Amino acid sequence: DTAVSQTPKYLVTQMGNDKSIKCEQNLGHDTMYWYKQDSKKFLKIMFSYNNKELIINETVPNRFSPKSPDKAHLNLHINSLELGDSAVYFCASSLFAGGPLVEQFFGPGTRLTVL
Amino acid sequence: ILNVEQSPQSLHVQEGDSTNFTCSFPSSNFYALHWYRWETAKSPEALFVMTLNGDEKKKGQISATLNTKEGYSYLYIKGSQPEDSATYLCAFRNSGNTPLVFGKGTRLSVIA
Repeated sequence: DTAVSQTPKYLVTQMGNDKSIKCEQNLGHDTMYWYKQDSKKFLKIMFSYNNKELIINETVPNRFSPKSPDKAHLNLHINSLELGDSAVYFCASSLFAGGPLVEQFFGPGTRLTVL
Repeated sequence: ILNVEQSPQSLHVQEGDSTNFTCSFPSSNFYALHWYRWETAKSPEALFVMTLNGDEKKKGQISATLNTKEGYSYLYIKGSQPEDSATYLCAFRNSGNTPLVFGKGTRLSVIA
């Protein structure tokens, strides 16, 4: 059983389109995250939700809108895709948000290519 | 802007060699330091989470140390095996309300 799953694994689309990436965790965790692996290979936090509530929003263009229908799911919707949005997007979850010893569990990543 | 630096960027060792690499982070306002192992085509997996100055953690042949006063952590691999080949990421956190800030990773290749 996959702990943190993302769909799709690959996404190729045209500039200007709107697309969504889905993430689900079956670990019973309260907190979920979206990361972007940029062109320099850094993993950078985009959003974090705790029990369906947004707790971190790191200067991400408002074309990116996360949605958490329940605490097991955190989907990422991107409007008006741009070339610079091409990257690998990782979803992650953790038991809760604040504790120092809390490790994060990552999904397999979604490689988004905008043409 | 928090800066987390890892060195070296990449490393090639022979099977059986021991190796170590470094993660540097701001020495003020320390909360936690994470190490993750990231194999190609897989997801990052947590190795260690450390919070106290002087912490040492061990998992099999991999161990890590933490110096929060000077702002560094070392990851050691004793007797590297080809299956240890991966990118090793460290991530720093300066409070419970802030996100993890990742380094770029050290890419380790162990040659049989």
